[in-house]
Amino acid sequence: AQSVTQLDSQVPVFEEAPVELRCNYSSSVSVYLFWYVQYPNQGLQLLLKYLSGSTLVKGINGFEAEFNKSQTSFHLRKPSVHISDTAEYFCAVSDYFNKFYFGSGTKLNVKP
Amino acid sequence: EAGVTQFPSHSVIEKGQTVTLRCDPISGHDNLYWYRRVMGKEIKFLLHFVKESKQDESGMPNNRFLAERTGGTYSTLKVQPAELEDSGVYFCASSNDRVTQYFGPGTRLLVL
Repeated sequence: AQSVTQLDSQVPVFEEAPVELRCNYSSSVSVYLFWYVQYPNQGLQLLLKYLSGSTLVKGINGFEAEFNKSQTSFHLRKPSVHISDTAEYFCAVSDYFNKFYFGSGTKLNVKP
Repeated sequence: EAGVTQFPSHSVIEKGQTVTLRCDPISGHDNLYWYRRVMGKEIKFLLHFVKESKQDESGMPNNRFLAERTGGTYSTLKVQPAELEDSGVYFCASSNDRVTQYFGPGTRLLVL
């Protein structure tokens, strides 16, 4: 079975600072990896995904993530955050059966 | 192209009552999923439809939950009778390739 750990439940950061949201997963098989974002009072929006190929994945809104197979990690990064990035971020993993396993979410709070 | 829609956006009911949630997937998506997030915890898989057939319902908590997908289009999730622990956000997602899932805005259910 798969499981996902998001190590930080909340991350406060000042505007224009860099940020990293951490995600570790456990799986005995090859997986697909995703990051979703939920803005206040909205649904889940796909940020980026890793299916295969290059381990550095670029997504929307300037976010990127790096797949590290040896460390079973898929950390999300942005070099300079904006107030509008304030949201909850979810890491997810799926196996070939297409069932998603989510982490418990990380709330990013960008301060002016 | 319209995204995944869910109705209602919010529902407040009393313990013992019945509630029906509806999900309209993206047009042409054969795969439809239901997930649930209980307060502050991770988003958990409930079940997966392929067209009108249940592919995987391993996440359904108990027999008070009934999901249907008539004609392979929209889906409903009925909770009868509702209990306090059923409170949470119910997400629906759809996919046309069984890899990437697109989520709706969710239905926030509160059972009093």
